[in-house]
Amino acid sequence: GNSVTQMEGPVTLSEEAFLTINCTYTATGYPSLFWYVQYPGEGLQLLLKATKADDKGSNKGFEATYRKETTSFHLEKGSVQVSDSAVYFCALDQTGANNLFFGTGTRLTVIP
Amino acid sequence: DAGVIQSPRHEVTEMGQEVTLRCKPISGHNSLFWYRQTMMRGLELLIYFNNNVPIDDSGMPEDRFSAKMPNASFSTLKIQPSEPRDSAVYFCASYGSGGKGSTIYFGEGSWLTVV
Repeated sequence: GNSVTQMEGPVTLSEEAFLTINCTYTATGYPSLFWYVQYPGEGLQLLLKATKADDKGSNKGFEATYRKETTSFHLEKGSVQVSDSAVYFCALDQTGANNLFFGTGTRLTVIP
Repeated sequence: DAGVIQSPRHEVTEMGQEVTLRCKPISGHNSLFWYRQTMMRGLELLIYFNNNVPIDDSGMPEDRFSAKMPNASFSTLKIQPSEPRDSAVYFCASYGSGGKGSTIYFGEGSWLTVV
């Protein structure tokens, strides 16, 4: 079946620190992979995505590379800001299933 | 585009009362999802529809919960009778058939408190 496993939170970092949030997946075929972000009091919104192996998604300084050999899609940012404090969700879209499978979310808090 | 529109944004109700949450998906999207989010359980998929037909309702917690999608532009999630443990944020989301890597769009959520 399809599933997404992401690192447990919460994660607390100082401003300008390096961020990694791990995500691994299980799927049949060739899914698309996503990171969604949820800021306090809001719904989830797309942060970045990759649709095939070795693709790199990037947005707002965040990056993630689709690694088929390790079934991973780790989220990274070189220098986090206080405004990056949010919950981050890894997700996969099994081609043809017309559905998304979300991880449990990782809460990031960035302190000045 | 106005995005996914949910109502009410906030509701406080007494235990035993009926609660109805509403959702208008993005025009042209053919899949609609209802999620529930709590601190304890995170984001849970309750039910999703494809072309107005319920595809998977295995996440609906119990018979007190029901969802309908009478047409492509409207869906409801009903809780009857409501209980304090139903207090959560309920998100509606819609998803188009734009091919591989299509984005799911979330509404801003309905924040339900049952006292």
